[in-house]
Amino acid sequence: GQQVMQIPQYQHVQEGEDFTTYCNSSTTLSNIQWYKQRPGGHPVFLIQLVKSGEVKKQKRLTFQFGEAKKNSSLHITATQTTDVGTYFCAGQHSGAGSYQLTFGKGTKLSVIP
Amino acid sequence: DVKVTQSSRYLVKRTGEKVFLECVQDMDHENMFWYRQDPGLGLRLIYFSYDVKMKEKGDIPEGYSVSREKKERFSLILESASTNQTSMYLCASSFSRWQYFGPGTRLTVT
Repeated sequence: GQQVMQIPQYQHVQEGEDFTTYCNSSTTLSNIQWYKQRPGGHPVFLIQLVKSGEVKKQKRLTFQFGEAKKNSSLHITATQTTDVGTYFCAGQHSGAGSYQLTFGKGTKLSVIP
Repeated sequence: DVKVTQSSRYLVKRTGEKVFLECVQDMDHENMFWYRQDPGLGLRLIYFSYDVKMKEKGDIPEGYSVSREKKERFSLILESASTNQTSMYLCASSFSRWQYFGPGTRLTVT
């Protein structure tokens, strides 16, 4: 089946440091989404990227979609303890029906105060 | 706000039992999904439904079935629970491309 690879699996950062997680698909994506799951919680939708080369910002979070629509990244500037959680990318492959998503395995972010 | 609810937060069942996990959404969404989440494996799609009485297999449907008799309700059925089905089960619904998740059911099969 379709796969979306996400790295790193874990990231420990000192509060105030930056953080980046990367996703890569072997096939073209029609769109990519990012979700955050707090410890003990459920995934919550953050953002969707649709256009080639698209960049979107939410406060300290910057999301990018690659030119070939096969890769994406999430960058957090100056991490805070509230950023702790697991970040998932989820891609919809071109031709996939019914809004089916393929999730990456997630990057678990720990922030050391 | 979209609300997706699941019937139980925690469930303990014995091997061989038939298990029903219920999911209800209150936003008239057409699409509903069942995932299981295991450490290191992320979210894996079990089944999804894009309309009442319609269902499609996801990546790991073996050992599971689903039922969608009403638009707001999507049930996951474990016909004969096994210990390797111990997991966190997440239900989601969507109208557009992104999904809204329920709080999850942590199922333990002993």
